[in-house]
Amino acid sequence: EIVLTQSPDTLSLSPGERATLSCRAGQSLTNNQLAWYQQKPGQAPRLLIYGASSRATGIPDRFSGSASGTDFTLTISRLEPEDFAVYYCQQYDRSPKTFGQGTRLEIK
Amino acid sequence: EAQLVESGGGLVQPGRSLRLSCAASGFTFEDYAMHWVRQAPGRGLEWVAGLFWDGSNIDYADSVKGRFTISRDNAKSSLFLQMNSLRAEDTALYYCTKELRKWIGAFDVWGQGTMVTVSS
Repeated sequence: EIVLTQSPDTLSLSPGERATLSCRAGQSLTNNQLAWYQQKPGQAPRLLIYGASSRATGIPDRFSGSASGTDFTLTISRLEPEDFAVYYCQQYDRSPKTFGQGTRLEIK
Repeated sequence: EAQLVESGGGLVQPGRSLRLSCAASGFTFEDYAMHWVRQAPGRGLEWVAGLFWDGSNIDYADSVKGRFTISRDNAKSSLFLQMNSLRAEDTALYYCTKELRKWIGAFDVWGQGTMVTVSS
């Protein structure tokens, strides 16, 4: 099983600031098969990024993803009030399709 | 617009069974791999099971292997999860999800979830 470790567990920032969320995979992922999701309280997760850096349909361009080896990063360039939520990474390279434990992005 | 609607959740005693259903609409169901993902109260996401568009390549998380069975009916655009020998640790919100496209296993459509509570 590929373990994904997200950091930090909680990130406290203010609207307008830049957010950088990390996800480290325990093994290399073929073709960077990693996705990022946003989940708000009481809602289902929403796909933000797939293939480590491709934005899903309708996702604002302030969200971007990157990869360097087994390290993956989700960057939100300028935080809007609606961006405060929990973010999960997920690998879909190998079964089981594991998720990271999540990063909570909270308002400072 | 693609939509997934789960049903079948509820309160069940340990050791009993439950069958979840997911009705799909707004896309060609038979073209997409489908999965179940669960989330225990206050916890993170856990992939449970998935299968290809034609019902092949069925796979399960170790935590449910041998107890849960995933299936689909393409004629009825429906996904199912038969859950047997339920345990307290199976208590969770169960989401039905759709893969983005063939060979890209990110989940781009999620249902609202159906809650399963296993308790005596």
